Amino acid sequence: AQKVTQAQTEISVVEKEDVTLDCVYETRDTTYYLFWYKQPPSGELVFLIRRNSFDEQNEISGRYSWNFQKSTSSFNFTITASQVVDSAVYFCALSDMNYGGATNKLIFGTGTLLAVQP
Amino acid sequence: DAGVIQSPRHEVTEMGQEVTLRCKPISGHNSLFWYRQTMMRGLELLIYFNNNVPIDDSGMPEDRFSAKMPNASFSTLKIQPSEPRDSAVYFCASSLARGSMNEQFFGPGTRLTVL
Repeated sequence: AQKVTQAQTEISVVEKEDVTLDCVYETRDTTYYLFWYKQPPSGELVFLIRRNSFDEQNEISGRYSWNFQKSTSSFNFTITASQVVDSAVYFCALSDMNYGGATNKLIFGTGTLLAVQP
Repeated sequence: DAGVIQSPRHEVTEMGQEVTLRCKPISGHNSLFWYRQTMMRGLELLIYFNNNVPIDDSGMPEDRFSAKMPNASFSTLKIQPSEPRDSAVYFCASSLARGSMNEQFFGPGTRLTVL
């Protein structure tokens, strides 16, 4: 069965600190996709990144970076020099490969609440 | 471009009443998903459609819940009769599977309160 574990329920940091959000996944599929979504206090879910299982390159986007390691089934998310606006719940998610030209469902972790204090 | 549109944004109803939630996916997307978010259960998939056809409704809690997608630009999620435990935020999401791209884009959600 597919499963996503975000062991960190809440993290509190002071502005400008670096913070890493952990994500561990389980799947029997050899091809799959991993995602991170952000849910700010306003409630919407904002897509941040998608990673394919066959592409283990780490990715950096501004202050955000992602470390994908198949050997440990982890897809961790680091925010460098955190800002108050980064305060949100962050969800890691997993889905099977596309089939028949269509998308598959997302399995979400329980989320990590990040509080960045000024 | 307009994102996923959901209506209403907030709904307060009394137990036993029928509730209908509406979703307009992003134009051109061929997959549509209904999720529910609660404190106890987190984000869980209720049902999803590919090319307007229901693919997996195993997440639908019980027969009181039903969903339809009559065309590519509209979907409804209906609860009849509603119960207090149905109180949650209901999200609709859409996506287009193109090569390895398949990210889902979420609507703003409908916050449902059943008294």
